[in-house]
Amino acid sequence: QQPVQSPQAVILREGEDAVINCSSSKALYSVHWYRQKHGEAPVFLMILLKGGEQKGHEKISASFNEKKQQSSLYLTASQLSYSGTYFCGTAFQGAQKLVFGQGTRLTINP
Amino acid sequence: DGGITQSPKYLFRKEGQNVTLSCEQNLNHDAMYWYRQDPGQGLRLIYYSQIVNDFQKGDIAEGYSVSREKKESFPLTVTSAQKNPTAFYLCASSIGSPSYEQYFGPGTRLTVT
Repeated sequence: QQPVQSPQAVILREGEDAVINCSSSKALYSVHWYRQKHGEAPVFLMILLKGGEQKGHEKISASFNEKKQQSSLYLTASQLSYSGTYFCGTAFQGAQKLVFGQGTRLTINP
Repeated sequence: DGGITQSPKYLFRKEGQNVTLSCEQNLNHDAMYWYRQDPGQGLRLIYYSQIVNDFQKGDIAEGYSVSREKKESFPLTVTSAQKNPTAFYLCASSIGSPSYEQYFGPGTRLTVT
């Protein structure tokens, strides 16, 4: 039931764009996105809910395709501070817990 | 300031000893969670609690125990039955359902030798 993230790692130059995907084999109720820097706690980025509601930071955008059980996180005009590992967490209808993907490591070079 | 705290940041223990990791929150959140993270891996749920005096096993509960006697506190005990206890442990809290974000503590890095 663990969601699958792709790609596993990506390297960009500052200013380039990236897309990180999160796919589930079951119908989803919500998808969470978090970013974690090495040795630190994950930080909340965005929640996407079934039905189209989104909650999160203004500078982060994401989509949730309910039919495909897939979410994508869009990072545009990347900055050095965007570096870290991005995790999606998924929840099914009626569940009280999240299941996290294995993470996508993003490296931004000057 | 509201937040979630974990202590200590680093913890070293000898094999065969039980050890308790602290997690405290002053966000007035009902739900609390414990995750384990191994190098290069995602977050795996150990235990979670939606309300005081109640908790449920997560995906990897074997060798761990928890209590939820107060809303603010959710300590995790790593017992000697846990075969590979060395890991980074993260505590989180949220308002409740997966409709709301989880707030994470700074983590405790446990090393057992």
